[in-house]
Amino acid sequence: RKEVEQDPGPFNVPEGATVAFNCTYSNSASQSFFWYRQDCRKEPKLLMSVYSSGNEDGRFTAQLNRASQYISLLIRDSKLSDSATYLCVVSSDSNYQLIWGAGTKLIIKP
Amino acid sequence: GAVVSQHPSWVICKSGTSVKIECRSLDFQATTMFWYRQFPKQSLMLMATSNEGSKATYEQGVEKDKFLINHASLTLSTLTVTSAHPEDSSFYICSARDPVGNEQFFGPGTRLTVL
Repeated sequence: RKEVEQDPGPFNVPEGATVAFNCTYSNSASQSFFWYRQDCRKEPKLLMSVYSSGNEDGRFTAQLNRASQYISLLIRDSKLSDSATYLCVVSSDSNYQLIWGAGTKLIIKP
Repeated sequence: GAVVSQHPSWVICKSGTSVKIECRSLDFQATTMFWYRQFPKQSLMLMATSNEGSKATYEQGVEKDKFLINHASLTLSTLTVTSAHPEDSSFYICSARDPVGNEQFFGPGTRLTVL
């Protein structure tokens, strides 16, 4: 079983729609959680950290369920520029290593 | 945010040659840097953790004699792919941890193609 699992997609979504990404992790000792965005042939960029209380940044909402070891990302009113691969990342903090999901590819269509 | 640079951004080399990739933290001192490899349509895979002034810690399955890592200063880590082969062709990305905010910042990556 992979340490961090994501649906690889691709998700083909019309512009303006709401899209949800899910991620599960296997290490219950994980302490930090993130969503990164990676454009083709580019390095990943931090989209947002995920907190137990849930957090929102504009059109993006992230939630964490520690009991189920599940992380989600919701994008509302999707834009063409949201097309990218979204990577779920967890860290145990003790060694600062990031464990990466394989990513979910999102394609927003006009 | 903090900036991490990588050089070169892309390199094409012949099989059997060695390639050195540099990773620099430009505006902070990074005691820890990480080296990743990403094959097409796959996730980033951690290769090794590089600590300034000490030996790198390699992940299982990564040959330390083939992927030489040197972290001689707080702002520079290098990865040398020795005797490169076509199967080493990949996207190599470094990240540097800013100890102040504990955030990791990624370099732009180096695309290596071995002919």
